Amino acid sequence: GAVVSQHPSRVICKSGTSVKIECRSLDFQATTMFWYRQFPKQSLMLMATSNEGSKATYEQGVEKDKFLINHASLTLSTLTVTSAHPEDSSFYICSARGSGGRTDTQYFGPGTRLTVL
Amino acid sequence: GESVGLHLPTLSVQEGDNSIINCAYSNSASDYFIWYKQESGKGPQFIIDIRSNMDKRQGQRVTVLLNKTVKHLSLQIAATQPGDSAVYFCAEPSGGYNKLIFGAGTRLAVHP
Repeated sequence: GAVVSQHPSRVICKSGTSVKIECRSLDFQATTMFWYRQFPKQSLMLMATSNEGSKATYEQGVEKDKFLINHASLTLSTLTVTSAHPEDSSFYICSARGSGGRTDTQYFGPGTRLTVL
Repeated sequence: GESVGLHLPTLSVQEGDNSIINCAYSNSASDYFIWYKQESGKGPQFIIDIRSNMDKRQGQRVTVLLNKTVKHLSLQIAATQPGDSAVYFCAEPSGGYNKLIFGAGTRLAVHP
């Protein structure tokens, strides 16, 4: 149980375009989803926390107008990188936390590799 | 401020040996820690966790030790196998369990 999927797994886009990444909890309801960014050989850095039906909470230094997050249902959150630039190239990982059971356990998706040309 | 860091960025071991990955934390009020394994190109995978009311917790081939006095925890992997090659992160909930703070990570390389 507790499977989280991401789509797409890999995306290449031109500079200036927008890219949407989906994060789904497949077998549980996720009241909270988290979006992380990971640059090569670095740790995961939390970008934002989204709760179903409410606005996302962004970490300091993360532009909310550039990284649009929507958590419209208990099983789906989306991250849209708007007007992507080469410096946005990174590994984006989501995680989800269920509404029951252990509230301190996050289940991670497989990640999305974004390359901006 | 809160931080979770690692002593060693890389660790090379021979297959069959035991591996020890270390992590230091700064918040003495921290009461829960998690170890994650991340293989190349994949998301983090939960390995084991420990609460501050425990000093040791064992799983399958893995043991986590917590020393609250020096604010240090370690992940021990017994009989390391090639499949254990990955980056290992310690993590700590923050903000009332609203988010996880990850350490820098240690790359474990297992040689035949």
